[in-house]
Amino acid sequence: DADVTQTPRNRITKTGKRIMLECSQTKGHDRMYWYRQDPGLGLRLIYYSFDVKDINKGEISDGYSVSRQAQAKFSLSLESAIPNQTALYFCATSDNNYISYNEQFFGPGTRLTVL
Amino acid sequence: KQEVTQIPAALSVPEGENLVLNCSFTDSAIYNLQWFRQDPGKGLTSLLLIQSSQREQTSGRLNASLDKSSGRSTLYIAASQPGDSATYLCAVLLSGTYKYIFGTGTRLKVLA
Repeated sequence: DADVTQTPRNRITKTGKRIMLECSQTKGHDRMYWYRQDPGLGLRLIYYSFDVKDINKGEISDGYSVSRQAQAKFSLSLESAIPNQTALYFCATSDNNYISYNEQFFGPGTRLTVL
Repeated sequence: KQEVTQIPAALSVPEGENLVLNCSFTDSAIYNLQWFRQDPGKGLTSLLLIQSSQREQTSGRLNASLDKSSGRSTLYIAASQPGDSATYLCAVLLSGTYKYIFGTGTRLKVLA
């Protein structure tokens, strides 16, 4: 079974709709991240969370919100989707200790298309 | 502001060649550097992680080096195979903030 899972894997929606992307992990990691990937721009950090009560904005948080429901679950919401939010979205996890040194592990991604 | 650059953006080589992928970063205040592989439309797979105090890491045919003072890392792939065809990404973890900054990747094609 995959350690980091994302649902849905693909989603097509219309401008103005609210969308939630979900991420779950069984690695027991404290840290979770949301990224988006656009052709030619690489991965950019949207939000990150170091524990359930700690939520931080990344470099491109406008138009997005997150919820850390539990250590294992981190959701990303688009309150009112717009076409330039069409992208590949990734969830990742890491742990800050002297064994893993914050090595990141990624989910399979969600391909979101906003029409 | 930390910037991460990967050159070349694309590379095509015949099977069996040894090759080097480059990653450069502008700020040496990093906690670690991680190399990933990404297949088309798929997630990222971690290949190697180098701590800031280390100079290199090896896994099978892969060897990654780190020179913090010059802001460079290289990923060496020995005896390349068609199955190595993918996009290779490097990412640096910033000290203090613990945020990763990614390069835009090198798209590798190994020809049979």
